[in-house]
Amino acid sequence: AQSVTQLDSQVPVFEEAPVELRCNYSSSVSVYLFWYVQYPNQGLQLLLKYLSGSTLVKGINGFEAEFNKSQTSFHLRKPSVHISDTAEYFCAVRVTGGGNKLTFGTGTQLKVEL
Amino acid sequence: EPEVTQTPSHQVTQMGQEVILRCVPISNHLYFYWYRQILGQKVEFLVSFYNNEISEKSEIFDDQFSVERPDGSNFTLKIRSTKLEDSAMYFCASMATGGSGNEQFFGPGTRLTVL
Repeated sequence: AQSVTQLDSQVPVFEEAPVELRCNYSSSVSVYLFWYVQYPNQGLQLLLKYLSGSTLVKGINGFEAEFNKSQTSFHLRKPSVHISDTAEYFCAVRVTGGGNKLTFGTGTQLKVEL
Repeated sequence: EPEVTQTPSHQVTQMGQEVILRCVPISNHLYFYWYRQILGQKVEFLVSFYNNEISEKSEIFDDQFSVERPDGSNFTLKIRSTKLEDSAMYFCASMATGGSGNEQFFGPGTRLTVL
């Protein structure tokens, strides 16, 4: 079975500062990795995904994530955040070549302050 | 831009009552999912649905739960006899085609409160 750990439940950060949201996963088989964002009163929106190839993945809104197989991590980063980035961020995995269900972490609430 | 919609946004019910949560997936999508998130906990997979049948379900999805695609556009989740522990946010998702790397598009969720 797979599991995802998001170590920080809340991350406060000042506008224009860099941010890293941490995600670690556990799986006995190969997985694909995803980051989703949820703005207030909206559904989950895909930010980026890692399937294969380059371990540095760029997504929407200036976010990027790096897959580290040895550390089983997929941390999300943004060099300069904006107020509009305030949202809940979810890391998720899906088994390659298997069913399509996503296994999520508990989420990290990013709060950007002026 | 096409999106997944869910109704109602908030449902309050008494324990033991039946509830039906409704979802309209993106048109032409073939794969459908329900997930739920109990307050403060992880988003959990409930069930996946393809070609008019359940393709995978979690251990949470017991006999009290059922899914249906009654008319080719709606996708519903029914809970026959709600329990207090069913209180959660329920998310519907759809995906165009199969393949583990494809994107699932999520709706805004229905918050179910069981009293």
